[in-house]
Amino acid sequence: AQSVSQHNHHVILSEAASLELGCNYSYGGTVNLFWYVQYPGQHLQLLLKYFSGDPLVKGIKGFEAEFIKSKFSFNLRKPSVQWSDTAEYFCAVLHNAGNMLTFGGGTRLMVKP
Amino acid sequence: ETGVTQSPTHLIKTRGQQVTLRCSSQSGHNTVSWYQQALGQGPQFIFQYYREEENGRGNFPPRFSGLQFPNYSSELNVNALELDDSALYLCASSWKGGADTQYFGPGTRLTVL
Repeated sequence: AQSVSQHNHHVILSEAASLELGCNYSYGGTVNLFWYVQYPGQHLQLLLKYFSGDPLVKGIKGFEAEFIKSKFSFNLRKPSVQWSDTAEYFCAVLHNAGNMLTFGGGTRLMVKP
Repeated sequence: ETGVTQSPTHLIKTRGQQVTLRCSSQSGHNTVSWYQQALGQGPQFIFQYYREEENGRGNFPPRFSGLQFPNYSSELNVNALELDDSALYLCASSWKGGADTQYFGPGTRLTVL
């Protein structure tokens, strides 16, 4: 069964610091990759996605992620975080043979003002 | 464009009872997926409905069942509730049987006492 690992469970940063959240998955076939964000008290929202093409994808609010197929990774980055980025971030994988999203355990990010 | 809506927002039940949760898909979407998110974990896939048929199921027992209606809205039913069923239940809608971006509703928080 495919699995998704997010190695950082809790991250605390100061404003303007750079962010990189790790995501690795186990499925070997063709995959679609997603990062979702859950702000406090709000529902899961799509941050960005990769289906095909340029492995460096840009999302909303200055976030980007890079798909590295050889490393089975899809890490999320942001050059300079803001207090409003405080949220929980979930990496998810949809493999083309299936229809379900497999989520990682989430990373809780706190940005100190 | 109307987003995904879910009802009720919160629900408290006792062990052994039955519960029905409802979801209205985003306009233009014909697929609904249900996920269970336990506290501190990522969402886990329960099942998906596409064109009123079950289109994939995760590792959940048969007491978790569902329906999809001609207007693509959906219900999740859970019989014989157990304490471990306490969780946030998320509904996501998408196009093309799930092989596309899934958009999430706000969830229903179920507490089983």
